[in-house]
Amino acid sequence: AQKITQTQPGMFVQEKEAVTLDCTYDTSDQSYGLFWYKQPSSGEMIFLIYQGSYDEQNATEGRYSLNFQKARKSANLVISASQLGDSAMYFCAMRNGGGGSNYKLTFGKGTLLTVNP
Amino acid sequence: ETGVTQTPRHLVMGMTNKKSLKCEQHLGHNAMYWYKQSAKKPLELMFVYSLEERVENNSVPSRFSPECPNSSHLFLHLHTLQPEDSALYLCASSQETSGSWADTQYFGPGTRLTVL
Repeated sequence: AQKITQTQPGMFVQEKEAVTLDCTYDTSDQSYGLFWYKQPSSGEMIFLIYQGSYDEQNATEGRYSLNFQKARKSANLVISASQLGDSAMYFCAMRNGGGGSNYKLTFGKGTLLTVNP
Repeated sequence: ETGVTQTPRHLVMGMTNKKSLKCEQHLGHNAMYWYKQSAKKPLELMFVYSLEERVENNSVPSRFSPECPNSSHLFLHLHTLQPEDSALYLCASSQETSGSWADTQYFGPGTRLTVL
C-alpha cells in the first residue's frame, strides 16, 4: 500500500529565510508522481509543484523547489525567502501509475508552517 | 469564474435534513473528485468521475450520493447525515490522460459542513 509520511507537525521560520518541509513515501511502483499542496486557513488546496519518478532534475516553481532523492524515497519541499503569506498547512501527496487506483492521490497528514515577521 | 468553484462555502444541517453540495470546474477537465477532510486525518478520496462515469467509490456510506450531470458539474447529495460527517468537503478536477501519474488535480475552496 502507498503511504506518505510527513514527520513535522509544525515548523517555524523567520521571514525571508528558507525552510525545508520533509516528506517520505513508500511505494513498490516504479512510476509515480509526487505533489505538494498548500492549504491556507481558508481551506482551498493550492497546487504548488510536481515531481515525476523518472524526472532526473529536481522540480522548481518560483520560490518552491523539490529536493527529490529517489533512493531514499524522499521528496522534501524547499521554500526560499519565506513570506508571511506562506503560513499555511502543506501537504505532500503521491499518485501511482501502476495497478490499483490510478486516480487516487495519497496524502500525508501535513505540516503547519508559521512564518514569523 | 476561474478554476474550481464550490457552493455553499459553509453549511449547517440537522441529521434529518437533505442538502446538496455543488462543484463546478472551469478548466475543461474530464475528471472530477470528491474528497473529505476531517480534523487530524489525511484527505480521504470519496468518489471519482471520469468522462461523467463514476469510476471509484471508496466505501462511502449511502447517505452520500454523488451526481455528475456533465463534465463541468459535480454534486454531492447528503441525507440523514451523522455528526461525525462534519468535515471540509473538497472537490477537485483533472485532465486525465489514461490515468497518468502526472495528471495534476486542482481543488476548489471546499464546503465546511457541520452536522448537528
